[in-house]
Amino acid sequence: GAGVSQSPRYKVAKRGQDVALRCDPISGHVSLFWYQQALGQGPEFLTYFQNEAQLDKSGLPSDRFFAERPEGSVSTLKIQRTQQEDSAVYLCASSLDADIYGYTFGSGTRLTVV
Amino acid sequence: AQTVTQSQPEMSVQEAETVTLSCTYDTSESDYYLFWYKQPPSRQMILVIRQEAYKQQNATENRFSVNFQKAAKSFSLKISDSQLGDAAMYFCAYRSAGGVKIIFGKGTRLHILP
Repeated sequence: GAGVSQSPRYKVAKRGQDVALRCDPISGHVSLFWYQQALGQGPEFLTYFQNEAQLDKSGLPSDRFFAERPEGSVSTLKIQRTQQEDSAVYLCASSLDADIYGYTFGSGTRLTVV
Repeated sequence: AQTVTQSQPEMSVQEAETVTLSCTYDTSESDYYLFWYKQPPSRQMILVIRQEAYKQQNATENRFSVNFQKAAKSFSLKISDSQLGDAAMYFCAYRSAGGVKIIFGKGTRLHILP
């Protein structure tokens, strides 16, 4: 596709519910990133994939957060047993070569845990 | 660890006027990239301008220019001839030359007054 596509655009979850957020990167982009943006804050790094390999997951806040990219294209960020502090916008970005082309961000999924 | 600080939570400027957004950062590295991103209500992060630390010349993109002061670790964004469409959140960001993570500041909300 022409851009990075994220779905759903909005998600309301009851506390304790599991959620799955999807990211469709630009075709051919080998690098994929997830960021978490709390209200009124800048995005914070969660995890990074190069193709299907998860090379850095240092930003995942707890073991309730899990990300995968099994075929090196679409990625899913899963949050188990959601809590109110998980409420945020989750942004996905992809890149062919960061130094040359930079990153392309999606429009994010706004997660609200009630 | 690297940090990015934006000390102006909000700013306003009259349409057609010039405005400068401030950013300071902290790093012990000598080679890195600095960015300004725009985030409109659509939530997508859009790259406005980028600066390579090894380049002394300040980057410019049409109405947008930066004042990069490496010794002072300062990276301000100047928007000339402000337009209504410039209204958005603006984030200053940093990336190590050999890294992939982008570190964002907390953002500055820019209002354009007609």
